[in-house]
Amino acid sequence: QVQLVEAGGDVVQPGRSLRLSCTASGFTFSAFAMHWVRQAPGQGLEWLAMILYDGSNRFYADSIKGRFTISRDDSKNTLYLQMNNLRLEDTAVYYCARPKLGLENWGQGTLVSVSS
Amino acid sequence: AIQMTQSPSSLSASVGDRVTITCRASQDIRDDLGWYQQKPGNAPKLLISAASRLQGGVPSRFSGSGSGTDFTLTISSLQPEDFATYYCLQDYNYPWTFGQGTKVEIK
Repeated sequence: QVQLVEAGGDVVQPGRSLRLSCTASGFTFSAFAMHWVRQAPGQGLEWLAMILYDGSNRFYADSIKGRFTISRDDSKNTLYLQMNNLRLEDTAVYYCARPKLGLENWGQGTLVSVSS
Repeated sequence: AIQMTQSPSSLSASVGDRVTITCRASQDIRDDLGWYQQKPGNAPKLLISAASRLQGGVPSRFSGSGSGTDFTLTISSLQPEDFATYYCLQDYNYPWTFGQGTKVEIK
């Protein structure tokens, strides 16, 4: 069965960097685009980024453009989110998700807390 | 970016009630819309894709309709396990955008 496991969440100070990972199993990772979505505490869902199956194209939400980078390593079945210059408002649970029609499969999320 | 306006933000309903949640897009998105259910502490779950396509394993009391700019999620007879927050998501173009969510609470 499809499984997505996020890791890398931590408590970090504003301005610092962090890299999240999402390890996939149960499907042919290299055949699928992948997404990141986040949810600040007590708030709604925010779509963040997408990378095409072959890494040839990426799209970002305006709120993270220029600070976050989505990437993938198909040899490791792993998706990444490099987060630079973190802000207080980046505090959230970060989910990776696999699309088919819609975002069909989600990980359990990893918590990033940005605090001074 | 396309704005998704979801309403209501919350509602109180009883078991057995018919519940309707709407999403309006700021431009035509054809039928490129999904509905998600999220329970506290859990990841979202895809209920409906392409505006009206029920995902496998999702009870038939859930249905979706609409195209263009106006969309509806209907729960025909609310069950105890349906108390949750529901979100729409447009996947017509990037950046994808979610509605603000609708919290369905027990009356």
